[in-house]
Amino acid sequence: QSALTQPASVSGSPGQSITISCTGTSSDVGGYNYVSWYQQHPGKAPKLIIHDVTQRPSGISNRFSGSKSGNTASLTISGLQAEDEADYYCSSYTSSITYVFGTGTKVTVL
Amino acid sequence: EVQLVESGGILVQPGGSLRLSCAASGFTFSNSWMHWVRQPPGQGLLWVSRINSDGTTTNYADSVKGRFTVSRDNAKNTLYLQMNSLTEDDTAIYYCATAGYYRLDNWGPGTLVTVSS
Repeated sequence: QSALTQPASVSGSPGQSITISCTGTSSDVGGYNYVSWYQQHPGKAPKLIIHDVTQRPSGISNRFSGSKSGNTASLTISGLQAEDEADYYCSSYTSSITYVFGTGTKVTVL
Repeated sequence: EVQLVESGGILVQPGGSLRLSCAASGFTFSNSWMHWVRQPPGQGLLWVSRINSDGTTTNYADSVKGRFTVSRDNAKNTLYLQMNSLTEDDTAIYYCATAGYYRLDNWGPGTLVTVSS
């Protein structure tokens, strides 16, 4: 199972919006609405911020939003803040009854 | 509050074996599916395995199938990962996580496994 493709890095200024893409295949991202996004700060465990493509868990800021079109899912962070600087990973359920993560994107707040 | 604490990570030689544990509290462990995920140093997340609530159904990534075995003891609220025939490619931080509906809800802090001679 190949990793989902994400850009290595994305940056933006405070207050701006950024979007991270996550490209898979019809056997994972395109085949199921089971895409999740995780935020990981350095030295910390990942944290779920989006599930089922668009859903935010309780306590997650509404500045985080998700979407999907075909085999590509996207995470948008609006009103970028310094605390958003972290690594972000997408994940999808697959037709092989497994899960696959994305390659990861480092978000830098300028 | 959900708490997951992994343990058992050490330095092990190539070809060796190791069993990781994940102690769970703050939720009904016996009703919860669980995952293992690993992260090589400085690299991305890699899904490893999943187990259902009573331990009768397991799934594995191709990279560990036949070498790793996930199990659980619901009486002890503990998840396990038995790792055999270890190679340097298995060097990673290993996380356990609770399984929501097709997502990984809560994660432990991880335990570091180093495979090296």
